[in-house]
Amino acid sequence: GDSVTQMEGPVTLSEEAFLTINCTYTATGYPSLFWYVQYPGEGLQLLLKATKADDKGSNKGFEATYRKETTSFHLEKGSVQVSDSAVYFCALSEFGSSNTGKLIFGQGTTLQVKP
Amino acid sequence: NAGVTQTPKFRILKIGQSMTLQCTQDMNHNYMYWYRQDPGMGLKLIYYSVGAGITDKGEVPNGYNVSRSTTEDFPLRLELAAPSQTSVYFCASSYPKGLVNEQFFGPGTRLTVL
Repeated sequence: GDSVTQMEGPVTLSEEAFLTINCTYTATGYPSLFWYVQYPGEGLQLLLKATKADDKGSNKGFEATYRKETTSFHLEKGSVQVSDSAVYFCALSEFGSSNTGKLIFGQGTTLQVKP
Repeated sequence: NAGVTQTPKFRILKIGQSMTLQCTQDMNHNYMYWYRQDPGMGLKLIYYSVGAGITDKGEVPNGYNVSRSTTEDFPLRLELAAPSQTSVYFCASSYPKGLVNEQFFGPGTRLTVL
């Protein structure tokens, strides 16, 4: 079945450091890919998305490019802030014949940014 | 818009007790979902619904039941609570547009079964 694998956390960075969180996927069809963020004590919020190969999703300084050849969707940010401390989830959604739009999540990566 | 609301925020149950987790959305979304989040495990889909009167099992449905009598509400029922159901539960809704199905999440219910 479809699956998503993220790099293990926690990731601890100093403010203004460069961030990469790796995400790879396995899917039989052509999924849409997402990054969700969960701030402490809150639900998940969509951070960015990409629906086809070579699409780049971006939001709040974060970027991720849909790479079909490497089945990857790595999250990057050039300069992190303390306020970026959160758990980040990579996810995929396939719209096949069932059209359920179900999301399959990775295990999440905790990011801690220190001043 | 309030978005997706869930009640209660926290609950402690004894083994064998029953309870219903409430979920309501005011965005007129036809798709709704229930997930559980265990530490370090990501989210697992329990049940989902593509419209009023239609529900289906997700990845981990055992021990749970759902109903969808209206577009707005999607309650999750635990009949005989077990310690393995200790988790954080998230409800989500969406309205698929083309290739994109952005799901909107509620704040979650933290459930402990002792």
